[in-house]
Amino acid sequence: RKEVEQDPGPFNVPEGATVAFNCTYSNSASQSFFWYRQDCRKEPKLLMSVYSSGNEDGRFTAQLNRASQYISLLIRDSKLSDSATYLCVVNKAGGGNKLTFGTGTQLKVEL
Amino acid sequence: NAGVTQTPKFQVLKTGQSMTLQCAQDMNHNSMYWYRQDPGMGLRLIYYSASEGTTDKGEVPNGYNVSRLNKREFSLRLESAAPSQTSVYFCASRAQGALDEQYFGPGTRLTVT
Repeated sequence: RKEVEQDPGPFNVPEGATVAFNCTYSNSASQSFFWYRQDCRKEPKLLMSVYSSGNEDGRFTAQLNRASQYISLLIRDSKLSDSATYLCVVNKAGGGNKLTFGTGTQLKVEL
Repeated sequence: NAGVTQTPKFQVLKTGQSMTLQCAQDMNHNSMYWYRQDPGMGLRLIYYSASEGTTDKGEVPNGYNVSRLNKREFSLRLESAAPSQTSVYFCASRAQGALDEQYFGPGTRLTVT
């Protein structure tokens, strides 16, 4: 089983739609969680950290469910500019400050 | 601040040639990383350095060597390039805390023919 698993997509959605991505992780001792965004042929960049209580940043909401070991990202009112690959990232407990990246979920927002 | 810089941006090598990918960060981060990214495989850790003077193998270290020259610089060397090393290489750096984000360089696109 992969340490971090994501549905690769692509998710094709119309502009203005709400879309949700899920991610599961295998190490119950994982400490911290992030969503990164990667545009085509560019480097990954932090979208948001994921806190236990859930957190929101504008149109983006991240949730963490430790009991089920999954993380979600909700994007409301999708824009064309949201088209990208979204990477689920987990900090390995005792892993020497290493992060484990999922393979990413591709989102295409269409007119 | 430039953040994380990488050189070169593109490189074509013939099988058996060697080269060094350079990476530098100006954020005073302790940890630095080298990843490769291949289609359908996601980011895979090659080597990392938790602090100046230390390096450790990641998930896919074979065929690579690294040097943490000082706190700013972390280089990746391919001694004898193989077509299987055709990939996009990203360098990254991170401060020490568990909640700290990882910052990436713009990447090096390497083709080995």
